[in-house]
Amino acid sequence: DIQMTQSPSFLSASVGDRVTINCKASQNINRYLNWYQQKLGEAPKLLIYNANSLQTGIPSRFSGSGSGTDFTLTISSLQPEDVATYFCLQHNSWPYTFGAGTKLELK
Amino acid sequence: QVQLKETGPGLVQPTQTLSITCTVSGFSLTSYYMQWVRQTPGKGLEWMGFIRSGGSTEYNSEFKSRLSISRDTSKNQVFLKMNSLKTEDTGVYYCARVSEKGPLDWGQGTLVTVSS
Repeated sequence: DIQMTQSPSFLSASVGDRVTINCKASQNINRYLNWYQQKLGEAPKLLIYNANSLQTGIPSRFSGSGSGTDFTLTISSLQPEDVATYFCLQHNSWPYTFGAGTKLELK
Repeated sequence: QVQLKETGPGLVQPTQTLSITCTVSGFSLTSYYMQWVRQTPGKGLEWMGFIRSGGSTEYNSEFKSRLSISRDTSKNQVFLKMNSLKTEDTGVYYCARVSEKGPLDWGQGTLVTVSS
């Protein structure tokens, strides 16, 4: 199985900060990497698909980059409503596997 | 509008069988794969398996021996059945619609507690 190593596991930042979250795959997953946002008690929401494509309706402050094994989610200017847990998912091969998550809080 | 809703038993006894129903609306099960994912305190998010638009299935080998995914297209429902439950199976179980973008829309999840 492909292992996804996500960092950091916890992040505290201020409104307006640039925030980056990373995921590293244990082998090449091409660009088959998605980023999701999950708020407490809610369903996960797709933010970025296939490494760098912004899902419809998601604010442009969210962006993704990377290919192969190293991927990054960037929030260009943190907003209060971005407080959530973020996780990555590889869908290059079965079983799909997830990062452990990054809990983002406001400083 | 796409909607997915999981319905489960809440509490299940160890060694018993878990049955969860995912009821969908706003799309056809014959056009999309449907997956099941769970989130447990011990292992975080785990992909369990999916049922293809044509009805065939694929399972994570972690669960293969005790997991079954099926559907009733006439009722717009997808089913998860897992037997021989253990306390470590306690967690939130999600269904999700899968597209070429990967897992796209998720249900709210249903909490399952395995306890005697």
